[in-house]
Amino acid sequence: AQTVTQSQPEMSVQEAETVTLSCTYDTSESNYYLFWYKQPPSRQMILVIRQEAYKQQNATENRFSVNFQKAAKSFSLKISDSQLGDTAMYFCAFMKLFGATNKLIFGTGTLLAVQP
Amino acid sequence: ETGVTQSPTHLIKTRGQQVTLRCSSQSGHNTVSWYQQALGQGPQFIFQYYREEENGRGNFPPRFSGLQFPNYSSELNVNALELDDSALYLCASSLVPGNEQFFGPGTRLTVL
Repeated sequence: AQTVTQSQPEMSVQEAETVTLSCTYDTSESNYYLFWYKQPPSRQMILVIRQEAYKQQNATENRFSVNFQKAAKSFSLKISDSQLGDTAMYFCAFMKLFGATNKLIFGTGTLLAVQP
Repeated sequence: ETGVTQSPTHLIKTRGQQVTLRCSSQSGHNTVSWYQQALGQGPQFIFQYYREEENGRGNFPPRFSGLQFPNYSSELNVNALELDDSALYLCASSLVPGNEQFFGPGTRLTVL
């Protein structure tokens, strides 16, 4: 069974600074996706960034980038130039690439507070 | 393009009652997944529907059941509600199983 672990329940960063959120996972699968989702107080789960395990290049989306270490089963999210609107709960998630059901397996989340 | 919508937004029930939650998938999406998110936790997979058939189920008892309709909208039914069923219920749709999942705003269920 796959598991996703986020060891930082809460983090705080100053506006315009850079912050890194950690995520580790455990799987015996070779082909999978990893995701970071953002859940603001509005509750809507929003996809931040996606990484395909077969790609060696780390994904980037504007101010968001990941450090994907497949051998170490580590998938951290770096947020550059933090903005007040980045304040939210961030979830790391795993999804097997092949199989009858492609369910997302989530970590317990990291609450990020961006301070003015 | 309309995103994923869920109704109702909030719901209060008492123990033992039954509840139905509804989800309209994003246009063109034929796959709907349901998740339960307890307070302070990450979402847990309940089940997935693909083309009106259940396409996988998580570790939830049979009193959690679902339906998917020809227009790919979906319902989650929970019978014999328990206090621990209090949670945010999220619906997500995708083009096909395995594609990116787009989430709705959720239904907050409180069981008293």
